Amino acid sequence: NAGVTQTPKFRILKIGQSMTLQCTQDMNHNYMYWYRQDPGMGLKLIYYSVGAGITDKGEVPNGYNVSRSTTEDFPLRLELAAPSQTSVYFCASRETGGHEKLFFGSGTQLSVL
Amino acid sequence: KNEVEQSPQNLTAQEGEFITINCSYSVGISALHWLQQHPGGGIVSLFMLSSGKKKHGRLIATINIQEKHSSLHITASHPRDSAVYICAVQGGSEKLVFGKGTKLTVNP
Repeated sequence: NAGVTQTPKFRILKIGQSMTLQCTQDMNHNYMYWYRQDPGMGLKLIYYSVGAGITDKGEVPNGYNVSRSTTEDFPLRLELAAPSQTSVYFCASRETGGHEKLFFGSGTQLSVL
Repeated sequence: KNEVEQSPQNLTAQEGEFITINCSYSVGISALHWLQQHPGGGIVSLFMLSSGKKKHGRLIATINIQEKHSSLHITASHPRDSAVYICAVQGGSEKLVFGKGTKLTVNP
């Protein structure tokens, strides 16, 4: 199993550009999450999904969109990138929302200049 | 005030020392997670606790639900243990609240 795969690993965007961060998992997990990690801060939840076709906002959803058309894939879309979106982004998954471990992707370092 | 507080923020130890990292939280929880973030940035789940104590190799995690406190211990520390250790708490929903992390450096 590859686990949780995130692409790209690094990206530089200009203000106003758009991009999609890809996340796929091969563990048949229902729950998937997108977090951002800013320097000196704890991870913040952007969006999450409890299954295909179901998504919901987290703590910091503004400027982002998600979709969950399949169990495996949970892409994160940035529209009209802003410098405040410079961060490290992590995708994660687990089987259910209960007492299971989280599995993380390797992260995407995004700079918006 | 952050719902999850970790101490210390930074910790430097000599190889072989016993390490303790603390996590205090202010809300009722159903589970607590300890994560390790490697210098390269990857995050690995170490433990998920809802009560008592868990052990894996040289790592031990404990939780006291009444005192709203958890500790992560590393016995016989090694330079490869150098990482950021993150505590996260899970309330009634599936969402987690993360601490800011404790940066551990183990010198040879």
